[in-house]
Amino acid sequence: GDSVTQMEGPVTLSEEAFLTINCTYTATGYPSLFWYVQYPGEGLQLLLKATKADDKGSNKGFEATYRKETTSFHLEKGSVQVSDSAVYFCALNNAGNMLTFGGGTRLMVKP
Amino acid sequence: DTAVSQTPKYLVTQMGNDKSIKCEQNLGHDTMYWYKQDSKKFLKIMFSYNNKELIINETVPNRFSPKSPDKAHLNLHINSLELGDSAVYFCASSQPGISYEQYFGPGTRLTVT
Repeated sequence: GDSVTQMEGPVTLSEEAFLTINCTYTATGYPSLFWYVQYPGEGLQLLLKATKADDKGSNKGFEATYRKETTSFHLEKGSVQVSDSAVYFCALNNAGNMLTFGGGTRLMVKP
Repeated sequence: DTAVSQTPKYLVTQMGNDKSIKCEQNLGHDTMYWYKQDSKKFLKIMFSYNNKELIINETVPNRFSPKSPDKAHLNLHINSLELGDSAVYFCASSQPGISYEQYFGPGTRLTVT
């Protein structure tokens, strides 16, 4: 079946550092890929998405590129802020009704 | 304007009790979901309904029974609560065929003592 693997956290960075959170997936066909963010005490919010190979999703300074050749969708941000501290989830949808999530990566940004 | 809302936000109850969590979406979506998030933040789908009909039912104890009175509502009833049911439960909705992105509610933290 489909699966998503994320780097385990927590990831601790200083403000203005560069962020990468790795995500790889296993799926048949051509899934859509997503990054969701969960701030403390809140539900999940869609951060960005990509629906086909080589698409780049971007939002709030975050970017991720759909790499079919490496089955990856790594999340990056050039300069993180304290307010980016949250749990980040990579997910895929393989033309069905179900989202398959990775295990989540907690990001902590220190001033 | 809350797109997906859940009530209650917190629920503390004793083992053996029966409880319900309600979910409503005002996005006009046809599909709604229930997810369970455990203490390690791992998210797993439990159920999915499309236009009031059950389409996904993962391996969930039959103590959990979803009910969809209309396509804007999907409630979750849990019988004979157990300690292991303690988790955060998220409702979500989506419109199939439109990039498959899902919109999540704020979650209900269930604590069984």
